Amino acid sequence: DAGITQSPRHKVTETGTPVTLRCHQTENHRYMYWYRQDPGHGLRLIHYSYGVKDTDKGEVSDGYSVSRSKTEDFLLTLESATSSQTSVYFCATGTGGQPQHFGDGTRLSIL
Amino acid sequence: TQLLEQSPQFLSIQEGENLTVYCNSSSVFSSLQWYRQEPGEGPVLLVTVVTGGEVKKLKRLTFQFGDARKDSSLHITAAQPGDTGLYLCAGALGTGANNLFFGTGTRLTVIP
Repeated sequence: DAGITQSPRHKVTETGTPVTLRCHQTENHRYMYWYRQDPGHGLRLIHYSYGVKDTDKGEVSDGYSVSRSKTEDFLLTLESATSSQTSVYFCATGTGGQPQHFGDGTRLSIL
Repeated sequence: TQLLEQSPQFLSIQEGENLTVYCNSSSVFSSLQWYRQEPGEGPVLLVTVVTGGEVKKLKRLTFQFGDARKDSSLHITAAQPGDTGLYLCAGALGTGANNLFFGTGTRLTVIP
């Protein structure tokens, strides 16, 4: 158990609404990541953080923003959700530059 | 176009059989990772290989990194139902999170 908790685990919302997903870790890992997993695409990096208030964009960052005000929490926000953002979202942590531990995911459906 | 191609996409075998799944690319990777993912859960890191030709063993699982560092294979001996899952490979083109790319996976089912 890598001590990663994602919330909520499931969410259904409507197009145009804001959505925030939370990732909480207990292992004090420096790096945190947000990925999305879609059929035919595998896991794709959205944003990552290399420290408090230090974040950078990933491969599919458009339409998403993140914040990390504490080591243990990494938030992913969809400012105005679109149907193309329906996906399973995974948070991950690591001590180096690549993810080592993943949470159990948030299944997000945007209608 | 996926940077990493995994084959086969789906594999269903009987308990006790051996199998090999593949992860191929035209790119050279500094390292390659294998994960297993079960339904409703996140991927779990199994192994990281970093040297061309490297072979690592994890109980009944054998991982090999190609000599040219463009491909990798995972061989499972005497498969068990507990091996069922989605096997993902991920290759790093360099250091940093932005340089790690995942394949789409091989979904393995081991029938008791």
